Amino acid sequence: RKEVEQDPGPFNVPEGATVAFNCTYSNSASQSFFWYRQDCRKEPKLLMSVYSSGNEDGRFTAQLNRASQYISLLIRDSKLSDSATYLCVVNLNNYGQNFVFGPGTRLSVLP
Amino acid sequence: DVKVTQSSRYLVKRTGEKVFLECVQDMDHENMFWYRQDPGLGLRLIYFSYDVKMKEKGDIPEGYSVSREKKERFSLILESASTNQTSMYLCATSEGSNEQFFGPGTRLTVL
Repeated sequence: RKEVEQDPGPFNVPEGATVAFNCTYSNSASQSFFWYRQDCRKEPKLLMSVYSSGNEDGRFTAQLNRASQYISLLIRDSKLSDSATYLCVVNLNNYGQNFVFGPGTRLSVLP
Repeated sequence: DVKVTQSSRYLVKRTGEKVFLECVQDMDHENMFWYRQDPGLGLRLIYFSYDVKMKEKGDIPEGYSVSREKKERFSLILESASTNQTSMYLCATSEGSNEQFFGPGTRLTVL
């Protein structure tokens, strides 16, 4: 079983749609969690950290369920500029030395 | 803002050549990482370093070595490049268990 798994995608949605991505991780000792976005042929960039209580940043909401080892990302009112690959990232320890990346889910927002 | 720079954006080398990829960060981060990213395989960790002169193997260290003589600089070395090392190489840094910051990547082609 892979350590971090994500919806396989791709997701093709119209502008204005709400879209949700799911991610599961296998190591219950995982300490910190992130969503990154990666544009085509560019480096990954942090979208948001994911906190136990859930957190929101504008149109983006992230949730963490430690009991189910599940992370989600919700994007409301999708924009064309949201088109990218979304990577779920889990850090297995407190020293920041063991980041595990999911395979990514590709999103295309269509006009 | 953290700045992570990589020595080349695009590189073309021949089989058997020795290749140096350099990464420099300006934020005094302890941890530095080298990944390769291939279609369908996601990001895979080659090596990381948590301090000057310290290094740890990642998931796919075969055919690579690294050097960290100064805190801000982390080099990836391909001792004898092979065609299966054609890939996008990404350097990243982090402090503790906080998020990683990535360089722009080097797209290496080995002929």
